Amino acid sequence: NAGVTQTPKFRVLKTGQSMTLLCAQDMNHEYMYWYRQDPGMGLRLIHYSVGEGTTAKGEVPDGYNVSRLKKQNFLLGLESAAPSQTSVYFCASSYLLAGSGEQFFGPGTRLTVL
Amino acid sequence: SQKIEQNSEALNIQEGKTATLTCNYTNYSPAYLQWYRQDPGRGPVFLLLIRENEKEKRKERLKVTFDTTLKQSLFHITASQPADSATYLCALDVFSGGGADGLTFGKGTHLIIQP
Repeated sequence: NAGVTQTPKFRVLKTGQSMTLLCAQDMNHEYMYWYRQDPGMGLRLIHYSVGEGTTAKGEVPDGYNVSRLKKQNFLLGLESAAPSQTSVYFCASSYLLAGSGEQFFGPGTRLTVL
Repeated sequence: SQKIEQNSEALNIQEGKTATLTCNYTNYSPAYLQWYRQDPGRGPVFLLLIRENEKEKRKERLKVTFDTTLKQSLFHITASQPADSATYLCALDVFSGGGADGLTFGKGTHLIIQP
């Protein structure tokens, strides 16, 4: 099992550019999440999904969109990148409801927006 | 406002001693509390989960306590080793009272075990 994988590992964007971050999991988990981690802020939830075809907003959803067309994949999109979106993005998945079961995290994507 | 607090400063412990990390929260009533370990440049890794009706949980050298009256969790590593050096994150399920939302994380405590 590869667990949770994220693509790409690093990316540099210019302000206004768009990109999509891909998260894939091979554990057949229902629940998937996107977090961002900034120095001094901790991990913050952007969007999450409770199953294929469903998505919902987390704590900091503005400027991001997501899609879960296949159970194993969760995509995070930035339509018009801004410097404030410079961060490390982590994807996670879980078998049980968020708090009741462990979350498996990917290795992260380090994004810089100039 | 809702808040999760962990020791913001690094915690230096001598090898072999017990390291104790604190997680305090306000304005929450979490059903679960979790602890994760994060190494530099990597994603968090799950360590332990404790439920609101559990006082203590153990796993090998790790022990977690959960006091819902004090709104506090303590995370202990006994017989600490330099390999235990990492950042430890406390997390609660709080977005909508235990639903299928994500976790809310503290900022983490950086633990350094000195040989």
